[in-house]
Amino acid sequence: KQEVTQIPAALSVPEGENLVLNCSFTDSAIYNLQWFRQDPGKGLTSLLLIQSSQREQTSGRLNASLDKSSGRSTLYIAASQPGDSATYLCAVIGEGVMRGNKLVFGAGTILRVKS
Amino acid sequence: DAGVIQSPRHEVTEMGQEVTLRCKPISGHNSLFWYRQTMMRGLELLIYFNNNVPIDDSGMPEDRFSAKMPNASFSTLKIQPSEPRDSAVYFCASSPGTVNSPLHFGNGTRLTVT
Repeated sequence: KQEVTQIPAALSVPEGENLVLNCSFTDSAIYNLQWFRQDPGKGLTSLLLIQSSQREQTSGRLNASLDKSSGRSTLYIAASQPGDSATYLCAVIGEGVMRGNKLVFGAGTILRVKS
Repeated sequence: DAGVIQSPRHEVTEMGQEVTLRCKPISGHNSLFWYRQTMMRGLELLIYFNNNVPIDDSGMPEDRFSAKMPNASFSTLKIQPSEPRDSAVYFCASSPGTVNSPLHFGNGTRLTVT
């Protein structure tokens, strides 16, 4: 059974700092890995999707990397801003027809960027 | 594009009552997912549909839960009878259907069963 773990559970940084969020998964047979952002009282917003054949994806100040063989991904946020404060979740889709389109989520990292 | 629309945003009900949650996916998306989020268990997939057909309902916790998708633009999740342990935020999400398409989530329904 696929399990996704995110470290740290919470992180507080001053504005302007670069930071890294970590995600690990137990079964390396994945189609893709996705990073989401969740604001309080809201749904999830997809930030980046990395296909299993890719090593990284970038969007603005965000860069996500994937090391499928070791079961790890990182989300790098450059020059953090107070507006980046949110919960960040990673999720994976397993390979194989039987696994379908099911995303398995980590518990998330709660990020607070202080101004 | 209005996004995924869920209703109601909040629902408070008494134990034993029937609860119906509603979802309108993004037009053109042919996969729809129902998730439940709690502090203890995080996000759990309850059921997902592809082209209105339920593909995997292994995450539905009990027979008290049922979901339908009568057409491409509407889905319901019903709990009958509801119990306090069903209290959670229920999210609906949709995607174009290919495995490498990102999911688009609604803002959720916060359910409280007293």
